[in-house]
Amino acid sequence: DAKTTQPTSMDCAEGRAANLPCNHSTISGNEYVYWYRQIHSQGPQYIIHGLKNNETNEMASLIITEDRKSSTLILPHATLRDTAVYYCIVRAPGFQKLVFGTGTRLLVSP
Amino acid sequence: DTAVSQTPKYLVTQMGNDKSIKCEQNLGHDTMYWYKQDSKKFLKIMFSYNNKELIINETVPNRFSPKSPDKAHLNLHINSLELGDSAVYFCASSQVGTGDNEQFFGPGTRLTVL
Repeated sequence: DAKTTQPTSMDCAEGRAANLPCNHSTISGNEYVYWYRQIHSQGPQYIIHGLKNNETNEMASLIITEDRKSSTLILPHATLRDTAVYYCIVRAPGFQKLVFGTGTRLLVSP
Repeated sequence: DTAVSQTPKYLVTQMGNDKSIKCEQNLGHDTMYWYKQDSKKFLKIMFSYNNKELIINETVPNRFSPKSPDKAHLNLHINSLELGDSAVYFCASSQVGTGDNEQFFGPGTRLTVL
């Protein structure tokens, strides 16, 4: 079972920031927070991951609370192509599978 | 260049047939995976191979037999196909190291069993 809880769906206007929350209250000390997304009919795509510190890359920013029980994925300027299902996953390093939950369906509108 | 490729993209077949799906990665990764996404869009791990050795087998019926001829390939063979096998199958790869490792997914194979 997935160890994360996400809203089922969210809407965002094109050009605005999309903030996608995730709760992972049972996260263990060595588990990372990963974000993937799945655009319709495509394979999942890695976005970003973090352990304790906030992280930023060319796609998004990841804000992890100090107690690590929740996080927020930020798409700073959402575009129509960001419409997808976003999955928040907690995972220990090594030979560990990705356990996908139901994710958040983000709809970016003009 | 395609990082993780799968063939075929679509596969339509009759119940009871045997079929294979091929996966290749050109990323030099040492670990490969098969995931199944059913009609309700739930994505679940099936198998994982590291350096051609089975690491994860998630209670998958033994009609499913993964085969890894080398580190760059992980093929999925399915015997006696059933209606419930209809799904999209995704292959993925990663380089397992001492810390984090992202998985790269293929485009998927949509299997329809009639």
